[in-house]
Amino acid sequence: DIQMTQSPSILSASVGDRVTITCRASQSISSWLAWYQQKPGKAPKLLIYKASSLESGVPSRFSGSGSGTEFTLTISSLQPDDFATYYCQQYDGYTITFGQGTRLEIK
Amino acid sequence: EVQLVESGGGLVQPGTSLRLSCAASGFTFNDYAMHWVRQAPGKGLEWVSGISWNSGNIGYADSVKGRFTISRENAKNSLYLQMNSLRTEDTALYYCAKDFNYGNYAFFDYWGQGTLVTVSS
Repeated sequence: DIQMTQSPSILSASVGDRVTITCRASQSISSWLAWYQQKPGKAPKLLIYKASSLESGVPSRFSGSGSGTEFTLTISSLQPDDFATYYCQQYDGYTITFGQGTRLEIK
Repeated sequence: EVQLVESGGGLVQPGTSLRLSCAASGFTFNDYAMHWVRQAPGKGLEWVSGISWNSGNIGYADSVKGRFTISRENAKNSLYLQMNSLRTEDTALYYCAKDFNYGNYAFFDYWGQGTLVTVSS
């Protein structure tokens, strides 16, 4: 099974900061990676798919990059609404695995 | 507007069974794969099971294989999860999620609000 490892687990940042979250796969997944944002008590929301494609309606301050085994989610200038937990997810067509999550906190 | 509404959760004892349902609307249900994803209290997301548009591609997480069965009824725009031999570690909020694809699994563009399953004696 493909394992997904996110880092850091917790990230403290301020409004206006540029932040990057990393996701590593235990084997190559090409560009088959998605990113989600989840706020307390809410369902996850799709942000990025195919490693770097921005979902419709998602602000352009969110971007994704990477391929193979290493991927990043970048928020260019943190807004108050961005403090949440972020998950990466690999999809190889037959199985799905999530990373353990990164909680983005206000510094 | 896409809507996914889960039902069937509740408090059950270990070793018993439960059947979850997901009612879909706002899209052509039989054109997409569907999934169940769960989240234990205070924990991360865990994919549970997926099913392709025609039920030809069905998959399970190792943690539920042999105990859970996913199915769908396209004529009723409904997705199901039959959960047998429930364990305390199955306690979680269970989400129904729509896949972007119809066959091979991809990512989830719509989620329901979840139904809570609590397994406890």
